[in-house]
Amino acid sequence: DAGVIQSPRHEVTEMGQEVTLRCKPISGHDYLFWYRQTMMRGLELLIYFNNNVPIDDSGMPEDRFSAKMPNASFSTLKIQPSEPRDSAVYFCASSFLPGAGGTDTQYFGPGTRLTVL
Amino acid sequence: GENVEQHPSTLSVQEGDSAVIKCTYSDSASNYFPWYKQELGKRPQLIIDIRSNVGEKKDQRIAVTLNKTAKHFSLHITETQPEDSAVYFCAVYQGNLIFGKGTKLSVKP
Repeated sequence: DAGVIQSPRHEVTEMGQEVTLRCKPISGHDYLFWYRQTMMRGLELLIYFNNNVPIDDSGMPEDRFSAKMPNASFSTLKIQPSEPRDSAVYFCASSFLPGAGGTDTQYFGPGTRLTVL
Repeated sequence: GENVEQHPSTLSVQEGDSAVIKCTYSDSASNYFPWYKQELGKRPQLIIDIRSNVGEKKDQRIAVTLNKTAKHFSLHITETQPEDSAVYFCAVYQGNLIFGKGTKLSVKP
């Protein structure tokens, strides 16, 4: 398996533009997570899905952020409109049932470095 | 909700010395405690984990200990090498993974 795949790896955009980040989880994993990482706030969970259904989106900072998972192999995180304070590295991760024992390791993608000017 | 505190935030050791990073948590129902290593510009990667029914787990130079009564767990790295330099994150599972703020470990040759 290629692991978790994210695109783009780098994104530079201007304030006010729409940004879409993409993620392909590891085949067979039924949990998908979106994280944001900044120096100030560390690694923050934004939202996670189980079997394509959003379970907890309490970490989504505001209505400008939305996430979808139309099928088991694809998810998007959209920011509209983007602002400079959204600049961060966004990670996608996937796993089997977290904390259940055995093969529930959470695997991270390479991340998307977003810069909003 | 779960609160995870990680100390120290930075740690500098000489090559060959040991390094210890400690995390405390608040929810006694937490039962899964992974540690991730993140090298500069890379993704976090799991290096070791421990479950609540075990007090210690070891994998070569890395070990994790868990004290459920005191609600803390620690990462121990022995015989440190320059390639151990990275940011280390602890995490606690309580519905989802809650991460500590990270420890930047520098191993000086």
